Amino acid sequence: SQKIEQNSEALNIQEGKTATLTCNYTNYSPAYLQWYRQDPGRGPVFLLLIRENEKEKRKERLKVTFDTTLKQSLFHITASQPADSATYLCALGDNSGGYQKVTFGIGTKLQVIP
Amino acid sequence: GAVVSQHPSRVICKSGTSVKIECRSLDFQATTMFWYRQFPKQSLMLMATSNEGSKATYEQGVEKDKFLINHASLTLSTLTVTSAHPEDSSFYICSARDRSGGFSYEQYFGPGTRLTVT
Repeated sequence: SQKIEQNSEALNIQEGKTATLTCNYTNYSPAYLQWYRQDPGRGPVFLLLIRENEKEKRKERLKVTFDTTLKQSLFHITASQPADSATYLCALGDNSGGYQKVTFGIGTKLQVIP
Repeated sequence: GAVVSQHPSRVICKSGTSVKIECRSLDFQATTMFWYRQFPKQSLMLMATSNEGSKATYEQGVEKDKFLINHASLTLSTLTVTSAHPEDSSFYICSARDRSGGFSYEQYFGPGTRLTVT
């Protein structure tokens, strides 16, 4: 069955360092992959999308890589700030069944320590 | 930017009653809206996909008679939890896709509704 794995344990890093979050998947051939940020008690906020034929995407301090051979995406936040503390969700999308369906991972909680 | 609102943000109801949750796209037309459920420390689980003017498509294991979805207009979708039970207590989140500018994979999420059934 399809499976998305994210480090469910919290990731603690020092302010100013680069945070790297991992998303691995199995039994899946996604057409695209998205990363979202979710704060406690709130809905997710879209951050970045990368398609299956793209290797890397950047947006300000964010960078996403997508390796369809390894079935892995890495999400980087450079020069991290305490305000970046949140849970980051990986989501895989496909076009199965005639409509776009997105499946979410459990998320990784990031804590940036001042 | 695209904004999606949900109402109410929190609701407490007694077992056996029905609860309606509204999801609105405030500044765009949403031909497709999604309803998710999220239990503590778990991922968002897609419950159903609704297209304006047509019946919702439910995911496997989601009871369509229990979770009634109505997408009556391009800016409003409602989820009604009928005969709610304590196990229905969860965080319900809607999202919408803006198709006005052509095809887009991006979903805009609402702030969520915390349902507690006592």
